[in-house]
Amino acid sequence: GENVEQHPSTLSVQEGDSAVIKCTYSDSASNYFPWYKQELGKRPQLIIDIRSNVGEKKDQRIAVTLNKTAKHFSLHITETQPEDSAVYFCAAFGSNFGNEKLTFGTGTRLTIIP
Amino acid sequence: DADVTQTPRNRITKTGKRIMLECSQTKGHDRMYWYRQDPGLGLQLIYYSFDVKDINKGEISDGYSVSRQAQAKFSLSLESAIPNQTALYFCATSVRGSEQYFGPGTRLTVT
Repeated sequence: GENVEQHPSTLSVQEGDSAVIKCTYSDSASNYFPWYKQELGKRPQLIIDIRSNVGEKKDQRIAVTLNKTAKHFSLHITETQPEDSAVYFCAAFGSNFGNEKLTFGTGTRLTIIP
Repeated sequence: DADVTQTPRNRITKTGKRIMLECSQTKGHDRMYWYRQDPGLGLQLIYYSFDVKDINKGEISDGYSVSRQAQAKFSLSLESAIPNQTALYFCATSVRGSEQYFGPGTRLTVT
């Protein structure tokens, strides 16, 4: 089955600086890669996603890049703000029959220092 | 997301008791999932269902069972609750190969 590794587990950045979170996946057939943000005590919510036919996607201060050859994808947050403090999860969707589900990384706790 | 609801939101129960957590959705999605989240940790898949007649075990199904009563309803049962099942439980829904929408979560404490 799919295996997703996420790094770092914790990340602290000064407000206004950029944050980068990296994930690797094992199943070359995976074709959908969402990123979720979870605030304390709340449900995970999608912030951005990317499909395997695209190398990069941006949405305001958030961007995701995908390298299919290396099987890794990254989340980039620019001009960080205090409300960006949360736990972020990457995930990969395995598209092979019998493995059609999201596998999540272990999460990154991002703290924005004012 | 109000389209995915979970009941109860909080539950305290004793060791050995049977408990059911319920999930309902109005999104019309065919796929439903149950996850467990322990404090400070990630999401572990318990069971998932691609339609009413399809139930699959996830990573940590031991001690749990599920029922897909209808396309919109997916219940998780703990037959005999134990303290290490204390966790936050999330239900989620999706269509194939797309975003999962999570319910608000059920905080379960087993004493």
